[in-house]
Amino acid sequence: AQSVSQHNHHVILSEAASLELGCNYSYGGTVNLFWYVQYPGQHLQLLLKYFSGDPLVKGIKGFEAEFIKSKFSFNLRKPSVQWSDTAEYFCAVMPNYGGATNKLIFGTGTLLAVQP
Amino acid sequence: GAVVSQHPSWVICKSGTSVKIECRSLDFQATTMFWYRQFPKQSLMLMATSNEGSKATYEQGVEKDKFLINHASLTLSTLTVTSAHPEDSSFYICSATRVPRGPNEQFFGPGTRLTVL
Repeated sequence: AQSVSQHNHHVILSEAASLELGCNYSYGGTVNLFWYVQYPGQHLQLLLKYFSGDPLVKGIKGFEAEFIKSKFSFNLRKPSVQWSDTAEYFCAVMPNYGGATNKLIFGTGTLLAVQP
Repeated sequence: GAVVSQHPSWVICKSGTSVKIECRSLDFQATTMFWYRQFPKQSLMLMATSNEGSKATYEQGVEKDKFLINHASLTLSTLTVTSAHPEDSSFYICSATRVPRGPNEQFFGPGTRLTVL
């Protein structure tokens, strides 16, 4: 069965530090990849997505992610975090069964706390 | 655009009763809606995929007779937890996409917290 792994469950950073959150998936075929963010008390929001093309994807709020197919990875990065980035981050994979489904498989999430 | 609402936002019920949760797409037509369950400190687990006008597709291990899903219109899907028990207490989240198939962004509702006493 397909699965998504997020290795960091809790990350604590100081403001201005750089961020990288790991995401690996297990599926040998074509995938579409997503990072969602959930701010305290709010619903899930899309940060960025990769469907095809340039493997370096830029999202909102200065976030970016790089798809490395050979490593089955889609790590999230931000060069300088802010206190307002405190949230839970979810990596999600959509296996592409030739367009037959748009089912999302989520990782376990990473809770990021940014200290001012 | 692409706002999804859920009602209620939280509900407490007695064991053995049924609870209905609504998921609405407010400013778009959602041919496909998804229902997830999220346990504390865990990920979202897909329960079922719901297409307007047809039966829902349930994930392995999800009891379709316990979690009844109805997608009667392009803007509304409902999840009914029948004969709820304390182990059904969880956070239920719905999402919706604009097109029926293919890679597409899912727009998420704010979730419904169910507590069964």
